Amino acid sequence: QVQLVESGGGLVKPGGSLRLSCAASGFTFSDYYMSWIRQAPGKGLEWVSYISSSGSTIYYADSVKGRFTISRDNAKNSLYLQMNSLRAEDTAVYYCARVDGAAAGRHFQHWGQGTLVTVSS
Amino acid sequence: QSALTQPPSASGSPGQSVTISCTGTSSDVGGYNYVSWYQQHPGKAPKLMIYEVSKRPSGVPDRFSGSKSGNTASLTVSGLQAEDEADYYCSSYAGILFGGGTKLTVL
Repeated sequence: QVQLVESGGGLVKPGGSLRLSCAASGFTFSDYYMSWIRQAPGKGLEWVSYISSSGSTIYYADSVKGRFTISRDNAKNSLYLQMNSLRAEDTAVYYCARVDGAAAGRHFQHWGQGTLVTVSS
Repeated sequence: QSALTQPPSASGSPGQSVTISCTGTSSDVGGYNYVSWYQQHPGKAPKLMIYEVSKRPSGVPDRFSGSKSGNTASLTVSGLQAEDEADYYCSSYAGILFGGGTKLTVL
């Protein structure tokens, strides 16, 4: 069965950096777009970033553009999110999700359990 | 693109039906037959309940149904059960846009 396991969250000071990882199993990782989606405490879901199956196409939400970098290693079945210049408003549970569908029809059938990132001094 | 608009809360008694709306624009909800709905219980990851407006993934009860009219999509939960109490989020425009969420209470 499809499994997505995030790691790397924790407490970081404003302006600091953190790298999240997502280990995928149970499907052919290199066939799928992947995404990061976050949820601030007590708030709704916010899409963060997409990466294509090969890694050649990447999209970011305006709120993280220029600060976050998504990447993947298909040989290791892993997805990453490098987060720099972190702000208090980046505090959230970060979910890794497999993307199903295509183009405007993309949706998220499989999610990890999430990893909490707290940005605070 | 702005977030999609959902009512903050909805409720119903066991066995009843409840409908949750999700309003966007002609550039997102109204422009494509690509609306998805997610259920989230406290402390858990979201779960896909509906995709492409009205399709159910395997394992999702047929009590859950989706529809769309113009710029508004809807999720209907029929035969409400206690375990349906959760937050529900709509999404459109390739998953880039989410609604603010609706807390469904089973009375």
